[in-house]
Amino acid sequence: QKEVEQDPGPLSVPEGAIVSLNCTYSNSAFQYFMWYRQYSRKGPELLMYTYSSGNKEDGRFTAQVDKSSKYISLFIRDSQPSDSATYLCAMSAGGATNKLIFGTGTLLAVQP
Amino acid sequence: DAGITQSPRHKVTETGTPVTLRCHQTENHRYMYWYRQDPGHGLRLIHYSYGVKDTDKGEVSDGYSVSRSKTEDFLLTLESATSSQTSVYFCAISESNQGQYFGPGTRLTVT
Repeated sequence: QKEVEQDPGPLSVPEGAIVSLNCTYSNSAFQYFMWYRQYSRKGPELLMYTYSSGNKEDGRFTAQVDKSSKYISLFIRDSQPSDSATYLCAMSAGGATNKLIFGTGTLLAVQP
Repeated sequence: DAGITQSPRHKVTETGTPVTLRCHQTENHRYMYWYRQDPGHGLRLIHYSYGVKDTDKGEVSDGYSVSRSKTEDFLLTLESATSSQTSVYFCAISESNQGQYFGPGTRLTVT
């Protein structure tokens, strides 16, 4: 069983929809949670960072962490065709090396 | 990825040849990482560095070596390339637990 599980999709939604992307994890030591966006043939781009439990909002994006359920989510409001990309969750227990464990990514397509 | 460059961006090589990929950063970040990305596996850590001359193995280090002689440069060497090492390789940098920043990637094909 992988430490981090993420539905690969693809997920197809109409423009303007609310998108929900999710990851589950098994390591209760994870404290740092990130979401990356990766466009085709590009490097991953850090989108959101959250420490421990709770919500964080940045424009149309909201990240949620529920440590009791070992579940994290990324919500995208008013989705745009430019949001079409692969979204990767990543998490870390912290410490000196700052190593991240990544989900395999969810491919999102926003249809105009 | 403005502060991180990778070279070459594309490479085709033959089985059994050595290959070196370079990562260069201008951010003066302490930590540097090499990942490979393959369909169905996501990003997997190959090696990482936590300072000049300080490196350690990641999840998939067999067949790879690294060196870091300067803060800004992190080299990944495939000692004798195999077809299973055909992949997209990403370098990342970090200064804290608040995320890593990725380069543009190197697409490597081993024939």
